[in-house]
Amino acid sequence: SAVISQKPSRDICQRGTSLTIQCQVDSQVTMMFWYRQQPGQSLTLIATANQGSEATYESGFVIDKFPISRPNLTFSTLTVSNMSPEDSSIYLCSVQELSNQPQHFGDGTRLSIL
Amino acid sequence: AQSVTQLGSHVSVSEGALVLLRCNYSSSVPPYLFWYVQYPNQGLQLLLKYTSAATLVKGINGFEAEFKKSETSFHLTKPSAHMSDAAEYFCAVSERSGNTPLVFGKGTRLSVIA
Repeated sequence: SAVISQKPSRDICQRGTSLTIQCQVDSQVTMMFWYRQQPGQSLTLIATANQGSEATYESGFVIDKFPISRPNLTFSTLTVSNMSPEDSSIYLCSVQELSNQPQHFGDGTRLSIL
Repeated sequence: AQSVTQLGSHVSVSEGALVLLRCNYSSSVPPYLFWYVQYPNQGLQLLLKYTSAATLVKGINGFEAEFKKSETSFHLTKPSAHMSDAAEYFCAVSERSGNTPLVFGKGTRLSVIA
């Protein structure tokens, strides 16, 4: 299965600032996803990022707050903009190599906003 | 819309005892089903998957799950719990139709008592 690297692994940020999270895969994948896991909660899909097209956002998530780039088949970024304490979460990227294959996850980025 | 229900947010077992984590899904057609495990400060690791082959699926670390269409269930079991099994377990579902995001249950935290 694909090996997924996320950077940074954790960060503490000031409110009002922005942070860009990187997701690098060791092979070309069609589908990449970004999830948020709030403290003590399950995972919620933020958006689906396909190379060559705009990301598709889920209800409750908007591009201005969570801009996503997908410049090629091995890399994606998620930016958390104008952060507030409510954005303190774990952000995870995942990839799916084929439609009948499971998603594989990175180790996540643990973000705390002061 | 698909959904997943995990019964019991916290399950506690003695070391060496049977582990049973419950998952029921709601879908108009049998979906793909997955169990993931999340150890503290880590991302999600795939335990096992059901994608329409054998209904009894064996995964890593001695875990297995049985797909029961009549009960719309996909419960996770392990005959003998080990201390290292203490973690958060997530059941997830996706559609068979193509590259669709995962829908996660709320998770079950497994504690193993010595």
